[in-house]
Amino acid sequence: DADVTQTPRNRITKTGKRIMLECSQTKGHDRMYWYRQDPGLGLRLIYYSFDVKDINKGEISDGYSVSRQAQAKFSLSLESAIPNQTALYFCATRSGVSYNEQFFGPGTRLTVL
Amino acid sequence: AQSVSQHNHHVILSEAASLELGCNYSYGGTVNLFWYVQYPGQHLQLLLKYFSGDPLVKGIKGFEAEFIKSKFSFNLRKPSVQWSDTAEYFCAVNAGYNQGGKLIFGQGTELSVKP
Repeated sequence: DADVTQTPRNRITKTGKRIMLECSQTKGHDRMYWYRQDPGLGLRLIYYSFDVKDINKGEISDGYSVSRQAQAKFSLSLESAIPNQTALYFCATRSGVSYNEQFFGPGTRLTVL
Repeated sequence: AQSVSQHNHHVILSEAASLELGCNYSYGGTVNLFWYVQYPGQHLQLLLKYFSGDPLVKGIKGFEAEFIKSKFSFNLRKPSVQWSDTAEYFCAVNAGYNQGGKLIFGQGTELSVKP
């Protein structure tokens, strides 16, 4: 079973719709991250969370919000989707115990028409 | 602000050719460095990482990278590529003790290996 899962894997929506992307992990990590990937831009950090009560903005948080419902769950919401939010979205987790790598989910491909 | 630059956006090689992908970062303090690979349609996987010690780091699948502090570089190398190495490669930096484990990614380098 995958350690980091994302749902849905693909989503097509229309401008103005509210969308939620979900991420779950079984690694027991306390730190979770949301990135978006755009061609030629690499991955950019949207939001990150150290634990349920600690949410932080990343470099491109405008237009997004997040919810850390439990240690294992971290959701990303687009309150009113716009076409330039069309991208591949990745969730990642990391142990906070030491400097370790991040583990990524399979990604959600979101298309906003 | 910290940044990571990958010099090559798209590299095309024939099988058995040697590979070197450039990565430079801008941060003067202690850094942790990573190379991730993304195979077509898949999520990012860690190739190798550097935290301290020997600046020549060996990773999975025959990849290695060398940390040169004076050049702010962490270039990825492989002596002989295979068709299965076709993927996108990302260099990333985790800079600073209080950065919460945030990674700053380069733009990515797409590697195409011709059989």
